[in-house]
Amino acid sequence: NAGVTQTPKFQVLKTGQSMTLQCAQDMNHEYMSWYRQDPGMGLRLIHYSVGAGITDQGEVPNGYNVSRSTTEDFPLRLLSAAPSQTSVYFCASSYGWWSQPQHFGDGTRLSIL
Amino acid sequence: GENVEQHPSTLSVQEGDSAVIKCTYSDSASNYFPWYKQELGKRPQLIIDIRSNVGEKKDQRIAVTLNKTAKHFSLHITETQPEDSAVYFCAASRGGGSQGNLIFGKGTKLSVKP
Repeated sequence: NAGVTQTPKFQVLKTGQSMTLQCAQDMNHEYMSWYRQDPGMGLRLIHYSVGAGITDQGEVPNGYNVSRSTTEDFPLRLLSAAPSQTSVYFCASSYGWWSQPQHFGDGTRLSIL
Repeated sequence: GENVEQHPSTLSVQEGDSAVIKCTYSDSASNYFPWYKQELGKRPQLIIDIRSNVGEKKDQRIAVTLNKTAKHFSLHITETQPEDSAVYFCAASRGGGSQGNLIFGKGTKLSVKP
């Protein structure tokens, strides 16, 4: 099992550009989520999904879109990149959506110039 | 809104000493409390977790205690080793309709000096 795979590992964008961060898991997990990690801020939830076709907003959803067409994939789209979105992004998954350990990917380090 | 407070933000100990990190949470419906270790440039990794029906859980040198009445939970690391140096995050599950979601503390940077 590869676990949770995120691509790309690093990305530099210009303000206003759009891009998609990819996340895939091969553990047949129902629950998937996206976090951003900023210095001194811990991990903050952007969007999450409790199953294919179901997504919802987390703490900091503005400027991001998600979709969940399959159990395995949960891409995160930046619609129009802003410098405030410079961060490290982690995707996570868990077996169930209720009180289960979350498994994290290796992260995507994103810089917006 | 709900939040998780984590203290201290930095902790330095000598090898072999114990380390304690404390968290408080505000959502009385929280029922799942994991701890993650994150080494520099790496992913957060689950090291131990506890559910609300248990007061204490141990795994070798690591233990977690939970006081639901006071809304406190703590991580205890005994006989610390240099490889324990990392940032540790506590988290609490949200209650209500978002029970899958975790609220994270801001982290504790633990340094273990040889």
